[in-house]
Amino acid sequence: RKEVEQDPGPFNVPEGATVAFNCTYSNSASQSFFWYRQDCRKEPKLLMSVYSSGNEDGRFTAQLNRASQYISLLIRDSKLSDSATYLCVVNYAQAGTALIFGKGTTLSVSS
Amino acid sequence: EPEVTQTPSHQVTQMGQEVILRCVPISNHLYFYWYRQILGQKVEFLVSFYNNEISEKSEIFDDQFSVERPDGSNFTLKIRSTKLEDSAMYFCASNPGNSNQPQHFGDGTRLSIL
Repeated sequence: RKEVEQDPGPFNVPEGATVAFNCTYSNSASQSFFWYRQDCRKEPKLLMSVYSSGNEDGRFTAQLNRASQYISLLIRDSKLSDSATYLCVVNYAQAGTALIFGKGTTLSVSS
Repeated sequence: EPEVTQTPSHQVTQMGQEVILRCVPISNHLYFYWYRQILGQKVEFLVSFYNNEISEKSEIFDDQFSVERPDGSNFTLKIRSTKLEDSAMYFCASNPGNSNQPQHFGDGTRLSIL
């Protein structure tokens, strides 16, 4: 069964805080991993792909642990504009296969 | 930056009617997808389409649903005999064809069944 699990939150943090989100996936055959961001009633937008060696994009750092089937996202120096739902997304096979979404973790950054 | 476009942005239909949701994927992409998101729930895969045929579909995508690429640019989702539980956001997405590259989503059609 293909499942992606996330802590739904909400995470309520002040501006400037560091916050971390976790995600686990059930199928060890998973091949591609992504974090998407979704604002209320909007489409999912790619935040970053997640690579085996870990990767960073500005204030955002993603990590992948294949042995534990675990993905993380770290946001440093949170901004008000970071308030959104963060979706952990997994692709299980070669090109053309469905993306499996977690339900998302809600982040609220306050001033 | 090229984007996936969807029309209409909001569709209101009586239960039992047929609806067609339209999408224009990014022009050089090869794989096309439909997803739906019921309010408050996660995004769910419906169907993927490649080389003018369905390549994968979920349990949700039953005989009520069909997809078509009627010309070189449009990709449509048809829902026959709509039910109340079909009310959701429907997202179209496309991908160049490499699983390591993410899918790009349109801004969705909100379908409301009365």
